[in-house]
Amino acid sequence: IAGITQAPTSQILAAGRRMTLRCTQDMRHNAMYWYRQDLGLGLRLIHYSNTAGTTGKGEVPDGYSVSRANTDDFPLTLASAVPSQTSVYFCASSDEYSGGTPGELFFGEGSRLTVL
Amino acid sequence: GQNIDQPTEMTATEGAIVQINCTYQTSGFNGLFWYQQHAGEAPTFLSYNVLDGLEEKGRFSSFLSRSKGYSYLLLKELQMKDSASYLCASMDSNYQLIWGAGTKLIIKP
Repeated sequence: IAGITQAPTSQILAAGRRMTLRCTQDMRHNAMYWYRQDLGLGLRLIHYSNTAGTTGKGEVPDGYSVSRANTDDFPLTLASAVPSQTSVYFCASSDEYSGGTPGELFFGEGSRLTVL
Repeated sequence: GQNIDQPTEMTATEGAIVQINCTYQTSGFNGLFWYQQHAGEAPTFLSYNVLDGLEEKGRFSSFLSRSKGYSYLLLKELQMKDSASYLCASMDSNYQLIWGAGTKLIIKP
């Protein structure tokens, strides 16, 4: 593993199903983020974590939950998927809390989710 | 409210120069960022400005005017591989990034 790994790369999901998007980083970055990217809109922050054991809500948290049990993993769960959650989801990390440039994010390759 | 404006699409010729503008309005300001995103790929960090002026990094330069809430990304000696979307983002007083929708840059031979 090098950088940030997301899984799955792509998924089609029936509405009402539960889904967890996985994100793992090997850079030992303290901060991690989940964004969604929709056509014509900027990246929107769903949830974030400044350090292991803590999480916070972003701009569009409803319908999503996260956990940060350790430094490396930051899974995003959709408890009951709805069609409006069809999007590309990006996980990102930064080391701004340990000397890195604030705002310099390292992104995973994205997970394309379609909810029918 | 918080808002980032940048053109939706621009076209330029290989070998030429292009300037992508961005205006921002955020609650507080802790820096202006530019990212590059090729189609179907993840965004990658290009530049960071927190003080007024021009930051040059190879063929790419980024400018900031905090009094005008304005930034631009200048790309010189355009190459076909520069075809991508360029995302402008402002960091607000809570150190959260507020993103523009991105400018799709099309390079023609």
